[in-house]
Amino acid sequence: QSVLTQPPSASGTPGQRVTITCSGNSSNIGSSYVYWYQQLPGTAPKLLIYRNIQRPSGVPDRFSGFKSGTSASLAISGLRSEDEADYYCSAWDDSLSGPVFGGGTKLTVL
Amino acid sequence: EVQLLESGGGLVQPGGSLRLSCGASGFKLTTYAMSWVRQPPGKGLEWVSSISVSGDSTFYADSVKGRCTISRDSSENTLFLLMNSLADEDTAVYYCAKGAADGMDVWGQGTTVTVSS
Repeated sequence: QSVLTQPPSASGTPGQRVTITCSGNSSNIGSSYVYWYQQLPGTAPKLLIYRNIQRPSGVPDRFSGFKSGTSASLAISGLRSEDEADYYCSAWDDSLSGPVFGGGTKLTVL
Repeated sequence: EVQLLESGGGLVQPGGSLRLSCGASGFKLTTYAMSWVRQPPGKGLEWVSSISVSGDSTFYADSVKGRCTISRDSSENTLFLLMNSLADEDTAVYYCAKGAADGMDVWGQGTTVTVSS
């Protein structure tokens, strides 16, 4: 059982906009930045969004992050086949003194 | 280029020990907080341990507290994770990552630990 809650799956067709949600509580998302990671099949995770809304160099602006209260979301616009991957949210948890992850959302591009 | 390369994984019997290594290139790992994150087969990511920039503070998930020790060697620019009393539930791919509380921006390719008799 992950500390942060994500839907196990999401899907969309090429060109569509998809949103993945992440729910936490006051000890994690409510008091910390949110980070998003993309894990392509068979590869290591890659930082996609940091500090709620920032994109590392090289990440397309089709990816955007949002945070409100104890929830966050990742939006992917102009969906492409290469976006098919697992997406994880993460935040520091004050009560656990460590980062916590969501269970991951498997994105399928139909 | 900033890179991390893990090694030391393998097959170990329940109750055994293993030391994982993570060599850093392109940056000095003693100038960043560093972490270990694991991923059991077919499952999601689980934070294992982090070490602060100074190296004076270490943090562990409850699932490994008392059984694992994170450390680093500045001369070798290498991060370590010593794991004792291994159990089936420790079977996973172990990733080292640059960063901790403020996100992990560089990840290694992972090393596989299998605990089985």
